[in-house]
Amino acid sequence: GENVEQHPSTLSVQEGDSAVIKCTYSDSASNYFPWYKQELGKGPQLIIDIRSNVGEKKDQRIAVTLNKTAKHFSLHITETQPEDSAVYFCAAHMDSNYQLIWGAGTKLIIKP
Amino acid sequence: ETGVTQTPRHLVMGMTNKKSLKCEQHLGHNAMYWYKQSAKKPLELMFVYNFKEQTENNSVPSRFSPECPNSSHLFLHLHTLQPEDSALYLCASSQTSGVWYEQYFGPGTRLTVT
Repeated sequence: GENVEQHPSTLSVQEGDSAVIKCTYSDSASNYFPWYKQELGKGPQLIIDIRSNVGEKKDQRIAVTLNKTAKHFSLHITETQPEDSAVYFCAAHMDSNYQLIWGAGTKLIIKP
Repeated sequence: ETGVTQTPRHLVMGMTNKKSLKCEQHLGHNAMYWYKQSAKKPLELMFVYNFKEQTENNSVPSRFSPECPNSSHLFLHLHTLQPEDSALYLCASSQTSGVWYEQYFGPGTRLTVT
């Protein structure tokens, strides 16, 4: 079946450095790719999304890039801060049933 | 965090018990979802309701029974669960069903089946 692979499962970076999380999807018809952030004890929250008609989208310190040919998309966080510590999930729209297929999550640790 | 609330936050139940999870959204949304979250695994969509009608049931075992009496409330009735059903159960809502609409999640109910 369709799936989304997310890497790495854990990422530890020094405060102030950049972090990159990558996802690969299998459904070539996917055209919507959201990223959710889950803080400890809370539910996931949408932080940024991208549609297939653009290659990059930015919102302050976060950005998402999409390569439709290679079927992968990435989340970039610059100038990381302690409050960026969380689990990040990518997802891709599955065209066959209009559902989101989720990645397994990346635990981002910001070291002081 | 008050947009979508879930009760209880923690639940321990035996395999023969019957319990219910409750979700309430205060956002005026028309779609509600149940997800199962297990450690280091993708979120698993269980059920989708749109305007109180169930639109998705992703091959969920019958020991999980959803109920949506109105667009603001969603229940998950549990009976004869298995230890592998232990997980965080998340409720979410969105303006309407459809992948392009932002989903707002509650904090989840941590379920332990003994």
